[in-house]
Amino acid sequence: DQQVKQNSPSLSVQEGRISILNCDYTNSMFDYFLWYKKYPAEGPTFLISISSIKDKNEDGRFTVFLNKSAKHLSLHIVPSQPGDSAVYFCAASGSARQLTFGSGTQLTVLP
Amino acid sequence: DAGVIQSPRHEVTEMGQEVTLRCKPISGHNSLFWYRQTMMRGLELLIYFNNNVPIDDSGMPEDRFSAKMPNASFSTLKIQPSEPRDSAVYFCASSPRGGRGTGELFFGEGSRLTVL
Repeated sequence: DQQVKQNSPSLSVQEGRISILNCDYTNSMFDYFLWYKKYPAEGPTFLISISSIKDKNEDGRFTVFLNKSAKHLSLHIVPSQPGDSAVYFCAASGSARQLTFGSGTQLTVLP
Repeated sequence: DAGVIQSPRHEVTEMGQEVTLRCKPISGHNSLFWYRQTMMRGLELLIYFNNNVPIDDSGMPEDRFSAKMPNASFSTLKIQPSEPRDSAVYFCASSPRGGRGTGELFFGEGSRLTVL
């Protein structure tokens, strides 16, 4: 049973537009959420995180939103750039302090 | 400033053979994690170590899998005997946060294993 779900395996967006990647979780004990980005033949790299005491965290073009009641978080990228094309993994952790990852969403930004 | 180093980058082997994957974490990081990436399940945590001690190996799929961390700068993941369904990319990651894992993990480039 997947505790962190990314239901969209892929997303295509035009350059300059907004990319919205979604993630749902089932474990109400999760209190810290992260997004990682992965290019082909490389390891995932940390992008942005959010604690459950917040509902929004922004870093440049990247913003993560957390809706605890819906157990849903999203990553907004605006404006999207071709270099943003990668696989994006959502991850969550709770008291066990281990990261549980989703299955990833392949984002393609079209020039 | 070296990151997490994994070897080999690619391994092709035949079913039944022993496979050993190696990892050197970032110096000073005291937590080390082994993940497996597959198309179907994404990134799965196999095992993690804190201060060289295995803390949780519940993600290790079967007894064919074993992991060791003899010192702070080296870990191995062994599969014996290997099977075609073990084909995946295996990632090692380290963290400086005392095993809490809530923060950033630093991943290696992965070892792509193909078992024929």
